[in-house]
Amino acid sequence: SQQGEEDPQALSIQEGENATMNCSYKTSINNLQWYRQNSGRGLVHLILIRSNEREKHSGRLRVTLDTSKKSSSLLITASRAADTASYFCATNTGNQFYFGTGTSLTVIP
Amino acid sequence: DVKVTQSSRYLVKRTGEKVFLECVQDMDHENMFWYRQDPGLGLRLIYFSYDVKMKEKGDIPEGYSVSREKKERFSLILESASTNQTSMYLCASTKGVPGTEAFFGQGTRLTVV
Repeated sequence: SQQGEEDPQALSIQEGENATMNCSYKTSINNLQWYRQNSGRGLVHLILIRSNEREKHSGRLRVTLDTSKKSSSLLITASRAADTASYFCATNTGNQFYFGTGTSLTVIP
Repeated sequence: DVKVTQSSRYLVKRTGEKVFLECVQDMDHENMFWYRQDPGLGLRLIYFSYDVKMKEKGDIPEGYSVSREKKERFSLILESASTNQTSMYLCASTKGVPGTEAFFGQGTRLTVV
């Protein structure tokens, strides 16, 4: 399987704190993407980082990529209760997408 | 507003039935994917298609087949449903250009009894 893994599996924080989740993957990639899934729904794209980039920002999101370690991290700053969801990394090689196992984030108001 | 639409949100089928899950996208995307999602296992790729009538096996194709007769429609078929196929099924589509985002349907929660 080419599936990646997120760490931690579950994370619970207070509103206003930062949340960091990590992703490790197995193969060479064109890019890595992060997705969010609200309970029982489909996934929604958050941010994409290309293999030649090391860091990318989008609003309260910051993504880093270390291709030598085959790992990425997603930082959500100043978290809100509405950020409660599962977060998945996805690696894109050619036309294929492989998703990780996900981190379940709970933000406590 | 771009859309990937799955035919059912919830489905209950009996063991041994033939089950069809339909997915339609309106974005003229070349690639379409079927995943299943189970607690603790994340999303696992069942099949994907990069063109009409073309298909490739993913990580867990056993017990499933697919059909793509038209560009906008990708069907997942459970030839003889079993209880271990009870799961959430997610369809996604992307452009045929590497590095583009995936758009997902709302998911079909299938229960096989």
